[in-house]
Amino acid sequence: EVHLVESGGGLVKAGGSLRLSCAASGFTFNTYSMNWVRQAPGKGLEWVSSITSSSSYIYYADSVKGRFTISRDNAKNSLYLQINSLRAEDTAVYFCARDLGLRNTVTLDYWGQGTLVTVSS
Amino acid sequence: SYVLTQPPSVSVAPGQTARITCGGNNIGSKSVHWYQRKPGQAPVVVVYDDSDRPSGIPERFSGSNSGNTATLTISRVEGGDEADYYCQVWDSSSDHSTVVFGGGTKLTVL
Repeated sequence: EVHLVESGGGLVKAGGSLRLSCAASGFTFNTYSMNWVRQAPGKGLEWVSSITSSSSYIYYADSVKGRFTISRDNAKNSLYLQINSLRAEDTAVYFCARDLGLRNTVTLDYWGQGTLVTVSS
Repeated sequence: SYVLTQPPSVSVAPGQTARITCGGNNIGSKSVHWYQRKPGQAPVVVVYDDSDRPSGIPERFSGSNSGNTATLTISRVEGGDEADYYCQVWDSSSDHSTVVFGGGTKLTVL
């Protein structure tokens, strides 16, 4: 059974940094692209970043480019999101999600339960 | 950047059919996926690749996509279907590729 478990969230001051982790199990991690998606309080889902299976291709939303860094360690079955220069608008639940792997699209077939990041001013 | 437009809310009585639309420029040329999000739970894909249904998702959930509108149809709506629904595409038409979500539609079962 596929499991994705996020960790690393918490309360941080504006301008600070956090590193989110996502531990994957139940599938061959190194063959799937992975994603981070967030949802701010009262708002909709917002895609943050994607990384292909071997880290060859990385994509970011314009809202986080230059401040967030996605990475993965296939030996540890883990996905990461380094978040720097945090802003109040980064307050959200952050989900990691697996890409099903269909051609020419991204389909998020499994999601973790999320980890909450709260940025205080 | 590519924009997906959903109605903020849809209301339907139990047993009736709910239709949630997702508008986008020539969205019919893209693969559309639909997610259900209930409070406190992780999102779940209910329809992918326009009209395919993952295992475990009831046949009551179906999708279509043509022209500038994709539609999620939920037949014989039940109280447990009450949730927020999001459409999503992969946009590679600009100079950089992105995942795009619609703003979400709150389905209320009357």
